Amino acid sequence: GEDVEQSLFLSVREGDSSVINCTYTDSSSTYLYWYKQEPGAGLQLLTYIFSNMDMKQDQRLTVLLNKKDKHLSLRIADTQTGDSAIYFCAASPVGDGGYNKLIFGAGTRLAVHP
Amino acid sequence: DTGVSQDPRHKITKRGQNVTFRCDPISEHNRLYWYRQTLGQGPEFLTYFQNEAQLEKSRLLSDRFSAERPKGSFSTLEIQRTEQGDSAMYLCASSFGTSGNNEQFFGPGTRLTVL
Repeated sequence: GEDVEQSLFLSVREGDSSVINCTYTDSSSTYLYWYKQEPGAGLQLLTYIFSNMDMKQDQRLTVLLNKKDKHLSLRIADTQTGDSAIYFCAASPVGDGGYNKLIFGAGTRLAVHP
Repeated sequence: DTGVSQDPRHKITKRGQNVTFRCDPISEHNRLYWYRQTLGQGPEFLTYFQNEAQLEKSRLLSDRFSAERPKGSFSTLEIQRTEQGDSAMYLCASSFGTSGNNEQFFGPGTRLTVL
């Protein structure tokens, strides 16, 4: 089945760019997602990318997809202290009936310091 | 409609007791998912409903777990004879669609502590 891996921790200085990386194994995953989780809260959908795209930009967020290597990254420009959270990469391998459960990585904890 | 809601937000119970959680999805969403998240891990898929039909159950969902979505709207997740290993955050998500992009919107979760 699908397996998603992420590095566990990233520390950046406020104002710098953050890059969070993710790899997945199932090439049938047609959509890939990034979620943000703040302490004690549920998951907030940040953005997603369709597998026939290489890049998607949404304000301060840029998603890059290398489908050949099954590598996904999330770049946050001008990182702010409010960006401190856990970021989850999720893949959606196609299931029977066309629905897509999400397979999550373990999450990358982003710490932003002054 | 302000999003997916879950009730209760926190539940503390003694080992062996039964617990039930409720999820109210975004109103027009026909798909509903339950996930479980333990400390330091990402959410793990438990089960999925399309309208009132439960179409998939993970092998993580032992016989002590049962989920329902009787009228295709809200859903309940019941755990019988709770064990300490059931302690986790139980997350509900909903989405709309029949195929393709499956943007899932999550509720705040129910944190279960089994003593």
